[in-house]
Amino acid sequence: GESVGLHLPTLSVQEGDNSIINCAYSNSASDYFIWYKQESGKGPQFIIDIRSNMDKRQGQRVTVLLNKTVKHLSLQIAATQPGDSAVYFCAEGGPGYSTLTFGKGTMLLVSP
Amino acid sequence: KAGVTQTPRYLIKTRGQQVTLSCSPISGHRSVSWYQQTPGQGLQFLFEYFSETQRNKGNFPGRFSGRQFSNSRSEMNVSTLELGDSALYLCASSLAGSGGYTFGSGTRLTVV
Repeated sequence: GESVGLHLPTLSVQEGDNSIINCAYSNSASDYFIWYKQESGKGPQFIIDIRSNMDKRQGQRVTVLLNKTVKHLSLQIAATQPGDSAVYFCAEGGPGYSTLTFGKGTMLLVSP
Repeated sequence: KAGVTQTPRYLIKTRGQQVTLSCSPISGHRSVSWYQQTPGQGLQFLFEYFSETQRNKGNFPGRFSGRQFSNSRSEMNVSTLELGDSALYLCASSLAGSGGYTFGSGTRLTVV
C-alpha cells in the first residue's frame, strides 16, 4: 500500500494561496465523510464533516465538496498558512458511522 | 474539557511479549474506537466499543483484543508481539459512535 509520510501525494503551495485536496472514496453506501489533519507526532484532528444528503459544507477557511456521482470528495482551504502544513486524510463512514475507512492521505506543504 | 488521553505515549517491547494500551475518552463519550497507523497501510480500523460491548471489529488477527469499562475507558491488548505490530495506535471517542470522532495523540509501539 501507499506509504503515509514517505510516499504520500504532496501538494506544495505558497502562503496565501487557496489549496484543494482531493479524495476518491470507495464505498457507494458510505453516507458520512470527514476530513482530518494530522501533524507530526499528533493524532488526526477533525476539520470538517459532511453527510451524503449535502454536496457542500463550509467552515472557517475550509469548504468540503461531495460528488456522489463519481465518489469524490474535496477539501478547499482558503488563504493557506504555514500552520496548515500537515497530512490530510479523508475518511468515510457507513450507516451508523461507527467505523471509519481512511484514505491514504495527502501531504500539504505551505511555503512562506 | 479534556481531550482523549492515551497512555503510554511510547513503548518498546520485544517480539513474543504482550502489551496493553489505555485510552480515556472525552467525558460523556460512550464510544471508543481503535486504529492502527503504519507507513505501509495507513490508518486501519481495529475495533469499536460502545457501552462495554464490542460493536465492530476490523480485519486483524485474534492477537489483538480490547475491552471497555463501565466508565468508558478502554484498553487494547496485543499478545505475542511481532515486528510488524510496530505502529502508532490511535484511540478515538465519540458521544454515541455516530460521527464526531475525536482522536488522541496515540501510543507509539516499537517491537524489537
